[in-house]
Parts: sequence; C-alpha cells; structure tokens
Amino acid sequence: EPEVTQTPSHQVTQMGQEVILRCVPISNHLYFYWYRQILGQKVEFLVSFYNNEISEKSEIFDDQFSVERPDGSNFTLKIRSTKLEDSAMYFCASRAPSGGMSGETQYFGPGTRLLVL
Amino acid sequence: SQKIEQNSEALNIQEGKTATLTCNYTNYSPAYLQWYRQDPGRGPVFLLLIRENEKEKRKERLKVTFDTTLKQSLFHITASQPADSATYLCALDKTGGFKTIFGAGTRLFVKA
Repeated sequence: EPEVTQTPSHQVTQMGQEVILRCVPISNHLYFYWYRQILGQKVEFLVSFYNNEISEKSEIFDDQFSVERPDGSNFTLKIRSTKLEDSAMYFCASRAPSGGMSGETQYFGPGTRLLVL
Repeated sequence: SQKIEQNSEALNIQEGKTATLTCNYTNYSPAYLQWYRQDPGRGPVFLLLIRENEKEKRKERLKVTFDTTLKQSLFHITASQPADSATYLCALDKTGGFKTIFGAGTRLFVKA
C-alpha cells in the first residue's frame, strides 16, 4: 500500500541553525500539508500546498518557515533559524485529487522528531 | 475563535464494551469531520469521514454520528479490544480541505 515517507526520523540541531525536513507524498496525490505536534499537545496545522503554491497557512507559519516542492516527488519544510520552541514532531500529509469518497482523506507520514538545543 | 473539544479525561473501558468518544466544536461550520487514530510517537491514521449532510457513517466496528445543530460528533467503537487502545483525534475541515483543525484527542484504554 502506498505511504507517505519522511526523512530524517530524528533531527537534533542547535538554536539558530537551519533545518530542512523532507517528505515524499503518495505519488498521485496533489495536496500536501505540514503539521507539528509538540510533545503532549495537539496536532497543529502549519501549511497546505497545492499547484505549486501555498493554499493556507497558520499563524505559526511565519517568515522563518518555507515549503517547497523541488521536484515531482519531494515536499520540504525549511526552518531558517530554529528556536527552542520549534522542538516538536513534524508530520507531512498528502491527499488525493478532490472528488470521490477518498478525496478528502489525508495520509500522514511517520513524522520527524526535531529537537532544538 | 474556532475551538474543538474532546473528552479531556482518558476513557477506560472493559474489553467487549462499546467506547463512545465525543467531539464538540464552536465558531466553525465544517464541511466534513474526520476521526483519526494516533499511537504514541506515530502519525495520525485516518479512520472515518462524515460530511455535513450525513447523520451517520459506519465501518466495521466503528460508527460516527454528526449533528451540525448541536455541533457535535460521536465516535463509537463496538466490541472493543485491547488493540483499540490509542488516542483518537477529531478533525474538522471546510470545503476544499486546505486547513484541517484537530482536537486534542481522547486517550482510550481497553482492558482485557
């Protein structure tokens, strides 16, 4: 069964450093998402991406964050200058084209655990 | 502001019983509502989706109801098993599905 993959599974970085989290969505999906989950807290929406541009973003997704789909398979989240409070699990998700019973379902990757020291 | 509330307390039930989880929301008009399961350290896994014009949806031992007047969804697991122990998340979306809002989840423990 196709699945969303994410790399790395764990990332430790120093405050102020840039990190890039990578995701490979399911191949025929057209909608892509990043979420984060701070330990013990709820899953928080960061950004959605469709047709090579951002569709929606949350208040968390400030100028320190950016997303890119550099080729036909990868979807990346970059944090330019990490802060301690960026420590969280980051999930990528993808969704099939709209329409049909499965059109709205998001499929999540296993996550990247980011620790900022 | 938009708010989603799920049972904040963990739910403990005996194997074989029906677990009922609640999701209430305010200041939001979702086009559809989804339930996900999340195990510790893992990503959410989709379970069921129900649209605003649907009252009930079933899948095997799972049933979800959606009352847009009460702004509430109920999620039922019948004949519960210890393997059903996990955190269950409620998520709302407007038409287009570009911004999904999750509740904090309810932790379910099923005892053998």
